Amino acid sequence: NAGVMQNPRHLVRRRGQEARLRCSPMKGHSHVYWYRQLPEEGLKFMVYLQKENIIDESGMPKERFSAEFPKEGPSILRIQQVVRGDSAAYFCASSPSLGTGRNTEAFFGQGTRLTVV
Amino acid sequence: KQEVTQIPAALSVPEGENLVLNCSFTDSAIYNLQWFRQDPGKGLTSLLLIQSSQREQTSGRLNASLDKSSGRSTLYIAASQPGDSATYLCAVRQETSGSRLTFGEGTQLTVNP
Repeated sequence: NAGVMQNPRHLVRRRGQEARLRCSPMKGHSHVYWYRQLPEEGLKFMVYLQKENIIDESGMPKERFSAEFPKEGPSILRIQQVVRGDSAAYFCASSPSLGTGRNTEAFFGQGTRLTVV
Repeated sequence: KQEVTQIPAALSVPEGENLVLNCSFTDSAIYNLQWFRQDPGKGLTSLLLIQSSQREQTSGRLNASLDKSSGRSTLYIAASQPGDSATYLCAVRQETSGSRLTFGEGTQLTVNP
């Protein structure tokens, strides 16, 4: 059973370009979470998704950021018109769909390190 | 708003020493607490998960305790090794605010040979 897969591992974008980060949850997991780790800071929650639904996006910046988790395929975190302040490590986590999901363990991917130049 | 604090921010010990990392949280209405390890430039590896109804969990040389009412958890590492050098993160999953994890800033551990 492969773990949470994120790609690319490293992404370089020029200011104004779009960044698209992908996350494939563990097999059997239907809860996906995105977190951001800015340099020298802790991990901050961004968004929580289930298949085809955004459950909680209270941690997402109001503009330029969006996320989706389609019925088929990976979850996508999209950042439009990137700025230098978007440079960070973006982590995806998944949890199984048993019960409410709240008492279950979260498994993290290796992250995507975005550098905006 | 939940806040998670980890003390100390950094710790350096000689190999073989037993050590304790501390985590405190302000809102005791949690479902569980999870300890992670993060190596430089890497992802997070889950070490231990403690449900809100549990007092402690053990895995090998690691033991984590939880005192939900006082908002505290400790991670005990026995007989530390250089390979234990990493940043250790504590995270709580709250009863409110959906199923998100709220993380502490981490404790950066260095075990010297």
